[in-house]
Amino acid sequence: AQKVTQAQTEISVVEKEDVTLDCVYETRDTTYYLFWYKQPPSGELVFLIRRNSFDEQNEISGRYSWNFQKSTSSFNFTITASQVVDSAVYFCALSGAYNNNDMRFGAGTRLTVKP
Amino acid sequence: NAGVMQNPRHLVRRRGQEARLRCSPMKGHSHVYWYRQLPEEGLKFMVYLQKENIIDESGMPKERFSAEFPKEGPSILRIQQVVRGDSAAYFCASSPRDGYEQYFGPGTRLTVT
Repeated sequence: AQKVTQAQTEISVVEKEDVTLDCVYETRDTTYYLFWYKQPPSGELVFLIRRNSFDEQNEISGRYSWNFQKSTSSFNFTITASQVVDSAVYFCALSGAYNNNDMRFGAGTRLTVKP
Repeated sequence: NAGVMQNPRHLVRRRGQEARLRCSPMKGHSHVYWYRQLPEEGLKFMVYLQKENIIDESGMPKERFSAEFPKEGPSILRIQQVVRGDSAAYFCASSPRDGYEQYFGPGTRLTVT
């Protein structure tokens, strides 16, 4: 069975602080994809990253970075120097690499960045 | 290249009415997925369709819900005899083929009064 757990329901930080959003997953697939999406207050889903299970290199994109650790089944997301515009709900998701019709989402982490 | 389009963005229905949600996938995408997001929850998979075929409907409630993706035109998610518990955001996603990332539309927010 596939499952994604985002244990942090809500996080509140002050602008310019760094913040890490945790994501732990379970899967029996040997090949799979992990995703992060951002859902701002306007409600749409914004794709942030897709990571193949074969690629454990960490990735950095501007103020965003992702730490994929297969040994602990975690795919954590860090925002450096957070800004008010980062306030949103962030979802981690998992799908099989060859059959991604059943994409499983975590419950989401609501991040509030205060000025 | 326009993204995934959904309409209407907001839909209000009284209990017992029918709700029709439309999704136009990205150009060149033949795979469509529907998800439901209840308030304060993550997205839950409902159904996966290709043109004229339902591939996986394991997440669809057994009654009142149906989905189609005709040869021509958008994919439709239909909810008959809506109840208050159907109030949610319904997201559509599309991909060019199996195994590729899904691109999400802006969602339709259904409110049942």
